[in-house]
Amino acid sequence: SQQGEEDPQALSIQEGENATMNCSYKTSINNLQWYRQNSGRGLVHLILIRSNEREKHSGRLRVTLDTSKKSSSLLITASRAADTASYFCATGSNDYKLSFGAGTTVTVRA
Amino acid sequence: DTAVSQTPKYLVTQMGNDKSIKCEQNLGHDTMYWYKQDSKKFLKIMFSYNNKELIINETVPNRFSPKSPDKAHLNLHINSLELGDSAVYFCASSQGLGQGAIEQFFGPGTRLTVL
Repeated sequence: SQQGEEDPQALSIQEGENATMNCSYKTSINNLQWYRQNSGRGLVHLILIRSNEREKHSGRLRVTLDTSKKSSSLLITASRAADTASYFCATGSNDYKLSFGAGTTVTVRA
Repeated sequence: DTAVSQTPKYLVTQMGNDKSIKCEQNLGHDTMYWYKQDSKKFLKIMFSYNNKELIINETVPNRFSPKSPDKAHLNLHINSLELGDSAVYFCASSQGLGQGAIEQFFGPGTRLTVL
């Protein structure tokens, strides 16, 4: 069943602006991952945050996790045209599965 | 070099036909997966194999049959194709299962269209 739900469904920003998207989930998790999917391509792993972590950085990406609210956010700073893609959160738990949401489609305008 | 490859990239077929999608990974991983992505981009796990053993078998019609001849290959055979099978099918791989705490590497996808 679907676990993560991303918000907003779509986001359009100007190049150089920051993009923030959120993910909410329903059951307890071991970790949460964010993936990027460019149009017509497969998913690419961006970052993994474990349930005992609150914040993680990777380059221009910042991920937060609030297990009390069952939510996570992904911030992309100083966005570029190449960041145009769909972004998915995926939750991992004891059943060896990753459960994905339907993604946030980000469009970065030049 | 492509890490996870799938063939074919596009597959257009008539209802009732039987078709196969092939997946190969050259990452040395021991776990492989099949996902289905529908028109709303919702990605759902179908199957997972670890060391050629079926680990995850979601509620999928038994017209879908995965086969893992070795750790580097996971194929998906679909019998009696239906209109609702139209979707993009992704293969993925990872090293270990790790209770979901493992990065998965995805193939480019196979877009299946059933007419």
